[in-house]
Amino acid sequence: AQSVTQPDIHITVSEGASLELRCNYSYGATPYLFWYVQSPGQGLQLLLKYFSGDTLVQGIKGFEAEFKRSQSSFNLRKPSVHWSDAAEYFCAVGNSGGGADGLTFGKGTHLIIQP
Amino acid sequence: DAGITQSPRHKVTETGTPVTLRCHQTENHRYMYWYRQDPGHGLRLIHYSYGVKDTDKGEVSDGYSVSRSKTEDFLLTLESATSSQTSVYFCAISLAGGTDTQYFGPGTRLTVL
Repeated sequence: AQSVTQPDIHITVSEGASLELRCNYSYGATPYLFWYVQSPGQGLQLLLKYFSGDTLVQGIKGFEAEFKRSQSSFNLRKPSVHWSDAAEYFCAVGNSGGGADGLTFGKGTHLIIQP
Repeated sequence: DAGITQSPRHKVTETGTPVTLRCHQTENHRYMYWYRQDPGHGLRLIHYSYGVKDTDKGEVSDGYSVSRSKTEDFLLTLESATSSQTSVYFCAISLAGGTDTQYFGPGTRLTVL
């Protein structure tokens, strides 16, 4: 069965500093990978996704992620964080077997921005 | 933003009471999903639908049932609510199923006393 691990429950970063959120997945075939962001009291918004091709994926709000098959990782990065980036971030893997079932999510990383 | 609404947005109910949550979409997407979100667990799939009257179970389906009589509506029913079903429930839609982007509704906060 597929699974996603986000090793960091909380991360604190100073405003203007760089950010990297870790995501490791377990999946037998080529994974379909996603990063979502959830602001307090809101639904989930897609930041970026990887299906195939270039392993460095650009997303919205200045985020990017790199797919590394050898490390089973899909880490999210941003060169300079803003206070508005404080939120919960979820990594997810989709079923590339062509089924209809939903995404498998990690447990999330809570990002705190220090002034 | 994808046209997804959930109703009610907040509900407080008592143990043993039946509860129905509604998800409505205006995007004509074939696939619809119900997830629950709990602290320390992320989002977990309850049920999903791959067409009108076509549904299947997810990871945490016990105590829940669903129905989809129209493309735009996906209902989640708790036949007899329990305190363990206190959670935030999210509906999601996608065009092409498990490999496609899912778009999420705003969520329903359910409290079972």
